[in-house]
Amino acid sequence: GAGVSQTPSNKVTEKGKYVELRCDPISGHTALYWYRQSLGQGPEFLIYFQGTGAADDSGLPNDRFFAVRPEGSVSTLKIQRTERGDSAVYLCASSLGAGAGDTQYFGPGTRLTVL
Amino acid sequence: TQLLEQSPQFLSIQEGENLTVYCNSSSVFSSLQWYRQEPGEGPVLLVTVVTGGEVKKLKRLTFQFGDARKDSSLHITAAQPGDTGLYLCAGARPRGKLQFGAGTQVVVTP
Repeated sequence: GAGVSQTPSNKVTEKGKYVELRCDPISGHTALYWYRQSLGQGPEFLIYFQGTGAADDSGLPNDRFFAVRPEGSVSTLKIQRTERGDSAVYLCASSLGAGAGDTQYFGPGTRLTVL
Repeated sequence: TQLLEQSPQFLSIQEGENLTVYCNSSSVFSSLQWYRQEPGEGPVLLVTVVTGGEVKKLKRLTFQFGDARKDSSLHITAAQPGDTGLYLCAGARPRGKLQFGAGTQVVVTP
């Protein structure tokens, strides 16, 4: 069966540009998470969606970062005025629900490089 | 800031040897998860431990959760090259939010 997919797999952009990263979760999964993984680090939580709404966006580093999930399925992470420090792998995960027993399935990530 | 400390950061061993990876925190977690991540892929869940003192076995992998639910260990017996990867521990926060450690990179050479 299809897992979580993310596009693009790699994105190179210049400082100051706008980027969009897409996540296609597993069909039927209501919970969707975005994480950011910098080199040599574990993933860090950014935002969590339950259905269409952002239930927890406490991990977004600043107001340049925004994410949407308009129909409760596909999600897009948007980064404005990119900075070199935004370079990282952006991971998306989905799960059936948000309970402790719900396994999160991760996509392969989008590697963002800001020159 | 990683509130879950993993040690060692890097481990290189020969095939057939045993290894242990540690995950320590000052916080109590309702559950703790172990993942393995390979290059270019997302983390894949290996196990979830919930009860203090719990021990779970997955073939040659043994996972232990500390009595106080603040620390955990992963022991691999007779490591194989296929065990190579980044091992991550993650504590469960409310609403499914995971708090990850920095990971231990394990390399098993034939």
